[in-house]
Amino acid sequence: DAGITQSPRYKITETGRQVTLMCHQTWSHSYMFWYRQDLGHGLRLIYYSAAADITDKGEVPDGYVVSRSKTENFPLTLESATRSQTSVYFCASIPGQGGDTIYFGEGSWLTVV
Amino acid sequence: LAKTTQPISMDSYEGQEVNITCSHNNIATNDYITWYQQFPSQGPRFIIQGYKTKVTNEVASLFIPADRKSSTLSLPRVSLSDTAVYYCLVGSHQTGANNLFFGTGTRLTVIP
Repeated sequence: DAGITQSPRYKITETGRQVTLMCHQTWSHSYMFWYRQDLGHGLRLIYYSAAADITDKGEVPDGYVVSRSKTENFPLTLESATRSQTSVYFCASIPGQGGDTIYFGEGSWLTVV
Repeated sequence: LAKTTQPISMDSYEGQEVNITCSHNNIATNDYITWYQQFPSQGPRFIIQGYKTKVTNEVASLFIPADRKSSTLSLPRVSLSDTAVYYCLVGSHQTGANNLFFGTGTRLTVIP
């Protein structure tokens, strides 16, 4: 039972570069989310998706782009990385039917230099 | 929006019961209250969920008063391995998946 897998787990990139964080889930959950976690801010929602081809903004969407062409994948792209986007990024999902338990991936550590 | 307020940190000795309270004054009728635990370098994981009154499972209890404007996570007889950050989450994808706010969490340190 692989659950949610994120890649890469660790990434260092330069300011201005485009970076894509991948997220794959094996459960066919309807909802998928991207959160970022920074010291002093807890977990903040970037974008979410209710189903394939349906995405919407969360609390801190600026500078990020998402897509969901397939139910199991939900990539997050930083179009032009900035130092303020240095963070830990968590992908998550919920079934959408029969409960709201959120299942998280192990996180992607991104450093923008 | 049902944002939450929790203490930033708590300390407890091993073997004691720990109660962490979360305030959520704007909770909506369809919102559930869910608690998550997060260890360093890991994603949060589900502990317990409730709607009203009391819920108990093998690791914790959740107490919710009638007005549902707060909730208390109770961890019986904590051990060193319970040292983690605990998040209270109020919401439901049915009332809006973008309303699933985690807040800053409570950092629990268990002391030997």
